[in-house]
Amino acid sequence: KQEVTQIPAALSVPEGENLVLNCSFTDSAIYNLQWFRQDPGKGLTSLLLIQSSQREQTSGRLNASLDKSSGRSTLYIAASQPGDSATYLCAFRTGNQFYFGTGTSLTVIP
Amino acid sequence: DGGITQSPKYLFRKEGQNVTLSCEQNLNHDAMYWYRQDPGQGLRLIYYSQIVNDFQKGDIAEGYSVSREKKESFPLTVTSAQKNPTAFYLCASSYQGVTEAFFGQGTRLTVV
Repeated sequence: KQEVTQIPAALSVPEGENLVLNCSFTDSAIYNLQWFRQDPGKGLTSLLLIQSSQREQTSGRLNASLDKSSGRSTLYIAASQPGDSATYLCAFRTGNQFYFGTGTSLTVIP
Repeated sequence: DGGITQSPKYLFRKEGQNVTLSCEQNLNHDAMYWYRQDPGQGLRLIYYSQIVNDFQKGDIAEGYSVSREKKESFPLTVTSAQKNPTAFYLCASSYQGVTEAFFGQGTRLTVV
C-alpha cells in the first residue's frame, strides 16, 4: 500500500521565521513529487513539481528538495508571512495515480 | 483562462437522492480524477479516467458513478447507495505521463 506521511501535522511560527515541512513516502519508483497549498474550503494550488530525476526546485521564497533513495521530500519556506498560513500537502505520482499526504497546517503569527 | 471548473460550490442532498457534481476542464488534459476529502484524512481516490469512454474505480468507488463522454467533462454522481456522502469533493486533471495535477475549487456536499 502506498503511503505518504507529513510531519508535523500542525505548525505555528512567528512571522519572519524560516521553516521546513517534511514529507516521506514509501515508493522509490515515483515519477514526480508535487507540493500543494490548500486554503480553508478551497481546492489545491500547485506550488512546486519535482521530477524524479531532479533534486530540488525553487519558486520565490519556496524551495523543495527530493531524495528518492530515502523516500523524503522537504519544503523550505523562507521569511514566513501571515499570508503563508494554509495547509500544505505533498503528493507523489506513480503510474496513473497520485498519492497524497494528510498535510501540515501552518499558522504564521504576525 | 485555462483551468478546472467545479460546480456547484455547495450542494445539499436529501436522503435517498442522487446528485451530480460537475467538473469541466479546458486544459486539454487526457486524465481526470475525483477525490473525496474528509477532515483529518488525506485525499481518497473515487474514480479516474485516462481517456474518453473509459474510467477505473479508485479506493472508495462504492456508491458513486461517473461518465466520460467528452474529454473536457467528468461528472460524478453520488447515489443513494453512498451512506455517508457529506464531504468535500475535488476534481483534478493532468496530462498522461510524468506531469503534475491541477485541481478545481471543490464542491462541498452536505446531507440534509
